[in-house]
Amino acid sequence: QQPVQSPQAVILREGEDAVINCSSSKALYSVHWYRQKHGEAPVFLMILLKGGEQKGHEKISASFNEKKQQSSLYLTASQLSYSGTYFCGSSSGGYQKVTFGTGTKLQVIP
Amino acid sequence: DAGITQSPRYKITETGRQVTLMCHQTWSHSYMFWYRQDLGHGLRLIYYSAAADITDKGEVPDGYVVSRSKTENFPLTLESATRSQTSVYFCASSDAASGRYSYEQYFGPGTRLTVT
Repeated sequence: QQPVQSPQAVILREGEDAVINCSSSKALYSVHWYRQKHGEAPVFLMILLKGGEQKGHEKISASFNEKKQQSSLYLTASQLSYSGTYFCGSSSGGYQKVTFGTGTKLQVIP
Repeated sequence: DAGITQSPRYKITETGRQVTLMCHQTWSHSYMFWYRQDLGHGLRLIYYSAAADITDKGEVPDGYVVSRSKTENFPLTLESATRSQTSVYFCASSDAASGRYSYEQYFGPGTRLTVT
């Protein structure tokens, strides 16, 4: 089952903050975050592992609540370059096989 | 350093025809994946491979066949294409020791397939 992301879409002004949530009905080993710009391939942002957090980006951080099977992605002081669709992915039987959510479309405007 | 490439980038085929999408990576990553991307569904895993000659089904494997005789290649075949297989197909690779962060998947540029 795909993880559920919220919101589905959000519009921000430059400099504003945003939070994207991801929840799963299964127990999680890890949560993966990717960003995809229009017409391009998804690009890795970070992975959070069970029992520890692993950050992969300067102004983008994330949390992983293992008990609630939830993760949140925090975008601080958003820039125009943050625009794109953000996907969370979850793995429950090892770290490599990832099931992705349906995505959150983020648009940052001047 | 070519990285991960897919061919063709665009393909139009007719219902019932066999189509093979190619994926090639130059990093010797052990894992390779095939995803399809459709509006409203995000990225869905079709098949993946942990090493040469080891493949396993993902979420939506029906109608697709894969093989992996060499570490660097992971072709995806649609044996008898249907309109519902019109999609953008992404290949990805990863290795436990790749990148700055473990398990990062590197995606190819995608193949846009239209079945008429």
